[in-house]
Amino acid sequence: DTEVTQTPKHLVMGMTNKKSLKCEQHMGHRAMYWYKQKAKKPPELMFVYSYEKLSINESVPSRFSPECPNSSLLNLHLHALQPEDSALYLCASSQISGETQYFGPGTRLLVL
Amino acid sequence: QKEVEQDPGPLSVPEGAIVSLNCTYSNSAFQYFMWYRQYSRKGPELLMYTYSSGNKEDGRFTAQVDKSSKYISLFIRDSQPSDSATYLCAMAKLSNFGNEKLTFGTGTRLTIIP
Repeated sequence: DTEVTQTPKHLVMGMTNKKSLKCEQHMGHRAMYWYKQKAKKPPELMFVYSYEKLSINESVPSRFSPECPNSSLLNLHLHALQPEDSALYLCASSQISGETQYFGPGTRLLVL
Repeated sequence: QKEVEQDPGPLSVPEGAIVSLNCTYSNSAFQYFMWYRQYSRKGPELLMYTYSSGNKEDGRFTAQVDKSSKYISLFIRDSQPSDSATYLCAMAKLSNFGNEKLTFGTGTRLTIIP
């Protein structure tokens, strides 16, 4: 099973809201990733967790706050977002070496 | 110059044709090469993964890597309307530290015409 699941599928939020995106995998992968993808662009890496610890933060604004409660779960907490943060947010997981990453279906976020 | 260049298309071909998708790269440190397929409004799906020069075949798909020319290709035989999607090449460097950052091409939008 190479499935990564993400909830919710769609999210609309105002600029003052707080919301969370969730990601889950049961492949035994110990690396998990958050990406942001704008229309007609490739995914852009935001965060990497290795063994439940944050290992890479690609200079993402603090209004995005990742959390890895255990080896199967990854959250992205959102607060005070801007309309330009509207995008498809993708979660991925991999073996710790990282070169083969499996993506979830994404959460389509609209910030009003 | 971008590290990975990919023709954005769009590319339209008739059903049954052979499709060739290509990426070039400039950084010889890239050692792992992947092709992802992404349907509209969905996450990327891993199609092919290889780390050596030469060809790797999986059903109707063949991935080709030429490290000497820094060029990779994905061939789709007997193309079907269901192959209509955006195809992204991705590359990663060899590292002892793990968690390799993937470098993506810009994606090629492919349409198979019935």
